[in-house]
Amino acid sequence: GEDVEQSLFLSVREGDSSVINCTYTDSSSTYLYWYKQEPGAGLQLLTYIFSNMDMKQDQRLTVLLNKKDKHLSLRIADTQTGDSAIYFCAERTPGNTPLVFGKGTRLSVIA
Amino acid sequence: NAGVTQTPKFQVLKTGQSMTLQCAQDMNHEYMSWYRQDPGMGLRLIHYSVGAGITDQGEVPNGYNVSRSTTEDFPLRLLSAAPSQTSVYFCASSPRGGPPQSQQFFGPGTRLTVL
Repeated sequence: GEDVEQSLFLSVREGDSSVINCTYTDSSSTYLYWYKQEPGAGLQLLTYIFSNMDMKQDQRLTVLLNKKDKHLSLRIADTQTGDSAIYFCAERTPGNTPLVFGKGTRLSVIA
Repeated sequence: NAGVTQTPKFQVLKTGQSMTLQCAQDMNHEYMSWYRQDPGMGLRLIHYSVGAGITDQGEVPNGYNVSRSTTEDFPLRLLSAAPSQTSVYFCASSPRGGPPQSQQFFGPGTRLTVL
């Protein structure tokens, strides 16, 4: 079955790097996603990685994928107060199936 | 494009009442989904649709009905509201295919309270 696990909370100081971790169980996952949810809003796609890639960088965001351990991480460099939000990891498996989401990691940035 | 729209934004119901949460998208997306978000539970899939006339159950379908008579609309019906259905409901849509096309676009959510 599909299961996506994340730690629930992370607190960092402004200017430091944040690393949010995620593990998944379905080895047939094709794409893995990171979404951001700001208070009172819907989810917004931040970035994604194809399962045959190890790393993807997009400005301050770096995604690392360890397919052997089924471990995904999101690193946010120079974290700002505007990065405070809930971050969701999600996976897509082959076929007409919707995304499976983790429970979300609440990132708090301390000024 | 308006993207994914949801109405109402807020709703209070009494136990036993029925209502329909509306969801519409103007991007001609084939896939649409309904999720509920509860504290500490993340997003849980209620029902989804891969095209007009086709729906399927997600993780938590009990107490909810859906239909997909058009590509644009995907209403969620609560048949007899219960306090356990107090939650924030999100509708999402996505086109067929791989990223970036397959990314899901989310509506702003409907906050439902059942007394």
